[in-house]
Amino acid sequence: GQQLNQSPQSMFIQEGEDVSMNCTSSSIFNTWLWYKQDPGEGPVLLIALYKAGELTSNGRLTAQFGITRKDSFLNISASIPSDVGIYFCAGDPASGTYKYIFGTGTRLKVLA
Amino acid sequence: GAVVSQHPSRVICKSGTSVKIECRSLDFQATTMFWYRQFPKQSLMLMATSNEGSKATYEQGVEKDKFLINHASLTLSTLTVTSAHPEDSSFYICSASYESSYNEQFFGPGTRLTVL
Repeated sequence: GQQLNQSPQSMFIQEGEDVSMNCTSSSIFNTWLWYKQDPGEGPVLLIALYKAGELTSNGRLTAQFGITRKDSFLNISASIPSDVGIYFCAGDPASGTYKYIFGTGTRLKVLA
Repeated sequence: GAVVSQHPSRVICKSGTSVKIECRSLDFQATTMFWYRQFPKQSLMLMATSNEGSKATYEQGVEKDKFLINHASLTLSTLTVTSAHPEDSSFYICSASYESSYNEQFFGPGTRLTVL
């Protein structure tokens, strides 16, 4: 099935550093969701974005819906060890079906 | 709020048997439930979408006779993997949304299926 391009694929960072990851597509999306998944668990919703240009924060997390509606980014500030996990973006294509396409994931590892 | 549970969390079965996985929305009525499959170190692949009281809509390439989905109530959907084979071994995750959730999907904790 179709997937969103997410980068980077994985990253190692030092505790306290800021992290940035993004999702890009050749198609337009109506909604962007960002999830975090821990090993053996289901994804947990972090941030939801509904309008082009929207910038939303959730604690140390900030995400933006790209102006072109074809991309989104997620920033994590001052990372901590519990930020470890896999981050997925998910986009709702402009099809009205509410069926999300998931990104390929960014695996984050934080070094204490 | 918006809690989704799945049962069982892990199941091991013999090849040829059928396995049923339950997905429940605990504190809301789910108008739509989704079933995903996830292979190790890969993303989530949508298998099917189900609305309460109607037949599920399957994604291309997903065999509806193999993966039976029932959405009998606004809080329960079941996925039955029929005549399971080793290649069906995977992590199955459901999600649910409700009318006023602005298209947000809330995921269950997943079910690890291993077929011997």
